[in-house]
Amino acid sequence: QQQVKQSPQSLIVQKGGISIINCAYENTAFDYFPWYQQFPGKGPALLIAIRPDVSEKKEGRFTISFNKSAKQFSLHIMDSQPGDSATYFCAASKGGANNLFFGTGTRLTVIP
Amino acid sequence: DVKVTQSSRYLVKRTGEKVFLECVQDMDHENMFWYRQDPGLGLRLIYFSYDVKMKEKGDIPEGYSVSREKKERFSLILESASTNQTSMYLCASTTEYGYTFGSGTRLTVV
Repeated sequence: QQQVKQSPQSLIVQKGGISIINCAYENTAFDYFPWYQQFPGKGPALLIAIRPDVSEKKEGRFTISFNKSAKQFSLHIMDSQPGDSATYFCAASKGGANNLFFGTGTRLTVIP
Repeated sequence: DVKVTQSSRYLVKRTGEKVFLECVQDMDHENMFWYRQDPGLGLRLIYFSYDVKMKEKGDIPEGYSVSREKKERFSLILESASTNQTSMYLCASTTEYGYTFGSGTRLTVV
C-alpha cells in the first residue's frame, strides 16, 4: 500500500513557467514532509521540507504548499529553468526525518 | 561535506551469481537504508539498519540480505541474482534531520 501518492508521473513545462507536483497521504500521524530532487546519475538530495504547523514554506523559486485538512502537499517551482529538469520525490514520516515513505516520483522536463 | 559512497556505479552480473553492493558513510550515522529505484515505482525500501549487526526488512526484502558489521558500512547481498533484480540501487544514511543518499549502483543481471 502506497503511503504517499504522487502525481503526475511526468511533467513538461516551458522555461519560465510554473511546475506543480502534488502529493497526498493518509496517515495523520505524519509530521514531516520533505521533497527530494534527483539529477540523472545522482542520488536524491533534500530540496525543501515542511512541518504541518505551517501552510507554506518558500526557498527561492521553490515553495511547498501544505493542506492539513485535505492531507495534501505540493511543490511549486516558479520561473522553471532547464536546470530544474530532474526527478522529484515527495516523502512523509512521523517523528522526524527517519524512515521516510516516498512517493513514486515525477520526472520534470523544462524545455527552453 | 557528508558523504555516502557506493563502491560501484555500474555492475553487470550473470544470473545465479552472488552479488555484493557496498555502501560506506563517513558521518557516524546510526541509520542506514537500501532502496531500489525503478521507473514508475519510485524508491522501494529493501532493508534498513539502526545499529551495528542489526537489520530490519523493508517492503521488498525477498531475494536480498544485508550485513552491517561496522557502523560505517552497510552491504546489500543478492544471494542468487535474477534478471528481475536489474535495477538502480541506492544507499542512504540518515539522522533526524534528513537522508543523505549515495550516487547509486546500476545493476544489470544478464
